Amino acid sequence: DGGITQSPKYLFRKEGQNVTLSCEQNLNHDAMYWYRQDPGQGLRLIYYSQIVNDFQKGDIAEGYSVSREKKESFPLTVTSAQKNPTAFYLCASSMPVVNTGELFFGEGSRLTVL
Amino acid sequence: DQQVKQNSPSLSVQEGRISILNCDYTNSMFDYFLWYKKYPAEGPTFLISISSIKDKNEDGRFTVFLNKSAKHLSLHIVPSQPGDSAVYFCAARNNNDMRFGAGTRLTVKP
Repeated sequence: DGGITQSPKYLFRKEGQNVTLSCEQNLNHDAMYWYRQDPGQGLRLIYYSQIVNDFQKGDIAEGYSVSREKKESFPLTVTSAQKNPTAFYLCASSMPVVNTGELFFGEGSRLTVL
Repeated sequence: DQQVKQNSPSLSVQEGRISILNCDYTNSMFDYFLWYKKYPAEGPTFLISISSIKDKNEDGRFTVFLNKSAKHLSLHIVPSQPGDSAVYFCAARNNNDMRFGAGTRLTVKP
């Protein structure tokens, strides 16, 4: 089945630790995204990547890092510099912009900092 | 700087009536507008979209209206059903940059 797979679904972290959230897609989409969801704030863009080896900061990139070494993979690292990392993280990919460019989302990863 | 705004955090309607969800945006470079539906602990799923060159797009019970001069769009659901109860996100796209509103929680009462 084609889709986006995020792992782990739930993750606990101690303060000061870096963690990496995995996102893999087999939809052959060029663009991939990471969003963060907090209560009452909707989805805020962390990073996005239009092609392999390229990515741009979104609105809240501080404390996060990404890589795009393969088309299928766009991992997100939450570093110890991120002040409030507890949140629900969503990865997405999109069709070419010549279409609607709708995003296809994974099921999300919930990160809790203890 | 929030480029896409949904000012109503919640909306409650009776089954069979119309639900109207509103969205405002600030960036005139957006060329596509989309609505997503989200259930708790799941990723959003695409519902309907509209190009910036159109003012209306209809798909079954769902219609999206775009008023470019007012930088405003709305989603109409007619008739509303209890299964429509979810959080609805408005999104706007400029090339591969996709921005979302804060969402509106719709509750459809039987």
